[in-house]
Amino acid sequence: KNQVEQSPQSLIILEGKNCTLQCNYTVSPFSNLRWYKQDTGRGPVSLTIMTFSENTKSNGRYTATLDADTKQSSLHITASQLSDSASYICVVIPSGGSYIPTFGRGTSLIVHP
Amino acid sequence: GAGVSQSPRYKVAKRGQDVALRCDPISGHVSLFWYQQALGQGPEFLTYFQNEAQLDKSGLPSDRFFAERPEGSVSTLKIQRTQQEDSAVYLCASSLHHKQETQYFGPGTRLLVL
Repeated sequence: KNQVEQSPQSLIILEGKNCTLQCNYTVSPFSNLRWYKQDTGRGPVSLTIMTFSENTKSNGRYTATLDADTKQSSLHITASQLSDSASYICVVIPSGGSYIPTFGRGTSLIVHP
Repeated sequence: GAGVSQSPRYKVAKRGQDVALRCDPISGHVSLFWYQQALGQGPEFLTYFQNEAQLDKSGLPSDRFFAERPEGSVSTLKIQRTQQEDSAVYLCASSLHHKQETQYFGPGTRLLVL
């Protein structure tokens, strides 16, 4: 079972609308949780990084939240743009001796004009 | 360029052929990671270097996979006797110092084994 589950698997929205992507994880204990944006044919690009003690982190129109008690994170995209069309990947980095990141499968977002 | 670069961007290999994938990390970055990303999946860890030392290779799927970083900068991932299940995108990432810092990814090498 994947330790990082993302939903929905895919999402289609109209330009200008907001959307929220979900990430549930079982990796514990963890050091930090990251959201990446991956355009088709490109490598992932970091959007936000949150430690276990942080609840929210913003990067422009992207806002990530973290609830360490329920082991859930969300990525909220405000006023979507066509360029937001990409895969959004949630990554959890464990703490302690291991540092091997666990990646979710990603949510594929398509923004239509 | 200031980013991570990888070459080739695309590679088609016949089953049984050996391939070598190259990664040029950001200059001065100590940590380097290799990942394998199957179609529609998230990346999966293969191996990790700190400078020239390969500190973790637990993610390499078989002994056909070998990675090196002899001078602590450029890294090469070699796959011997390629199989169809090796078809994937191979991503390289580097970070400045600590392994838990932000990782900067290259564009990946898309490998197709026929």
